[in-house]
Parts: sequence; C-alpha cells; structure tokens
Amino acid sequence: GESVGLHLPTLSVQEGDNSIINCAYSNSASDYFIWYKQESGKGPQFIIDIRSNMDKRQGQRVTVLLNKTVKHLSLQIAATQPGDSAVYFCADLRGNTGFQKLVFGTGTRLLVSP
Amino acid sequence: DTGVSQDPRHKITKRGQNVTFRCDPISEHNRLYWYRQTLGQGPEFLTYFQNEAQLEKSRLLSDRFSAERPKGSFSTLEIQRTEQGDSAMYLCASSLLFSRTTLDNEQFFGPGTRLTVL
Repeated sequence: GESVGLHLPTLSVQEGDNSIINCAYSNSASDYFIWYKQESGKGPQFIIDIRSNMDKRQGQRVTVLLNKTVKHLSLQIAATQPGDSAVYFCADLRGNTGFQKLVFGTGTRLLVSP
Repeated sequence: DTGVSQDPRHKITKRGQNVTFRCDPISEHNRLYWYRQTLGQGPEFLTYFQNEAQLEKSRLLSDRFSAERPKGSFSTLEIQRTEQGDSAMYLCASSLLFSRTTLDNEQFFGPGTRLTVL
C-alpha cells in the first residue's frame, strides 16, 4: 500500500549545527503533512505542519519544505540543541472531515552531540 | 496536567491473558484515536471515535481487540487472549472538531501504554 517513508534511520549532528531530516511520500493525493517529534518514553509531539498548496512553512527554529513534484518533504532544524535529540516522524493526514487518520513513516533518530 | 493521559504506562502479561488499557483525552475533545507502535516503527492507526461512536476500525484490529468510549469521554482498549505479537506501545490521541484555537487536524498524543506479552 501507499506509505510515507524516510531516507535515513539515524542522523548524528553537533550542537549548533543545522539538521535536515528528509521524508518521501508516495500518495499523490496527500494534501496535508505533519512532522512529529517523539522522545524516549513519550508520545509523538506535533512540531509543524504544511498543506500541499504551500512549499515552505517556518516555525520557531524549524522549517518544513514540500516538493510535490518529487513527493518529498524535509524538516530543517536550525542551531540544533541536545534537547532536539529524538525520533522524528513525518505523517500525512488521510480522509475527510468525517474521519481522518495519520499515516506515519518509519522515523529518523536525531542524535545531537554537545 | 491537562494533556492526554493513559493508564497503565507499562503492562507485562502472560500469553493468553486479557488486558485493558485506559485513555483519558483532553477535556472536551470529541475525537479519540488509538494507535499501535512497535519498536523502530511509526504509530499505526487502530480505531477512531467521535464522541461515543466508533466510526472507523483498521484491519489491524482483530476480533481479539475491542475498544469502547461509553460516555464520549475516556476510552478503553481491551485485548483478549494476548499473543506475543501484541507486544507494542499503545498510543491514544485526541483532537477537537471545529476548534477555534487549535488546528482542526492536530492530534494530541498521550504517553502510551507499553505492553509486553511473555
């Protein structure tokens, strides 16, 4: 079936560097994407979202880029901090206003060294 | 704490036993979701409630699994005759339809219940 997947399982960076986490999706009908952060022993936490009518959206230290042509989105984290260490998932929201479910990718583990 | 809460946080059981998990969503959230997450994987959708009505069930939800939300507030997920393959993290999430202050689509997750079937 169609899925949302990630390129790299683990990304190691130094504190202060910028991090880029990539995600490929296959469902051409997807029109809403979300990035989640999951720390050990916790549930996923919403970071940022983007709709398909946008190609870029910025939050606090995070930017999501969407390339619909190649079905790719990325999460950029500026000035990465040790507290950013976690597993990051991209997900797309499928369904209509009556019912919507999140379809998650496998995840990328981000390791930030001091 | 006004977030989603789940109980218990950890459950160890023997194969063949029944287990029940509870989820308390954010107050006034009318949508409630159950997901299952295995090690190294993203959460997988199991079932969804809008108020007390169970509107959608995944094919992952075998007949050994049953979920309820009797009064449209808390929800329970029961697994009967547990199998080792049921070992996973069970996540609950809630959201509010027609919210004016948060994203309509934003699902808030609880900390999960980690089930280990021996």
